[in-house]
Amino acid sequence: NAGVMQNPRHLVRRRGQEARLRCSPMKGHSHVYWYRQLPEEGLKFMVYLQKENIIDESGMPKERFSAEFPKEGPSILRIQQVVRGDSAAYFCASGWGNEQFFGPGTRLTVL
Amino acid sequence: DAKTTQPTSMDCAEGRAANLPCNHSTISGNEYVYWYRQIHSQGPQYIIHGLKNNETNEMASLIITEDRKSSTLILPHATLRDTAVYYCIVRVDVKTSYDKVIFGPGTSLSVIP
Repeated sequence: NAGVMQNPRHLVRRRGQEARLRCSPMKGHSHVYWYRQLPEEGLKFMVYLQKENIIDESGMPKERFSAEFPKEGPSILRIQQVVRGDSAAYFCASGWGNEQFFGPGTRLTVL
Repeated sequence: DAKTTQPTSMDCAEGRAANLPCNHSTISGNEYVYWYRQIHSQGPQYIIHGLKNNETNEMASLIITEDRKSSTLILPHATLRDTAVYYCIVRVDVKTSYDKVIFGPGTSLSVIP
């Protein structure tokens, strides 16, 4: 897990607020994956991004969720108007090919 | 990706070998077997992968049956820190490309003192 940074590690939001989750990939990596893990469930793929491009967003909910990976700065997963069902751990991974290195995750709690 | 089936949970005594089975009867010829694990509250960690030959690294050994329909991950001397959920995944080798990892429910391994 060394190298992939996620912040914040814990985030508490009230229903209707916005949540912004950040991911800085390992040095030299320009590809980022986002996964979501609901309580007591396995990880589910959400989106795959390269710098300034969304490559695969087949796992993203159709509404309220968006992701970006700008030329400069971290990748951002944005959840608008959060609901209690968004409470989960959100993991970011970077890498290429076989080696995907996962970050420590952001635990989002929606009150 | 082909589907895998794993036991929901297993126990192992500390210091003994932990043998985690995985069935992947519909695996295709170009699909590899990958293992990841997730220690509580941490991100998943890659362990090992293989095609048809047995593989070994500093973490574990992977034994794949000749017909490739099942495999076993072996942790030779389990420690308490090996307590985690272990995921068996089959996917095309993506050495030169990219691909998302599709996780199943995995096996929850408890190493007991």
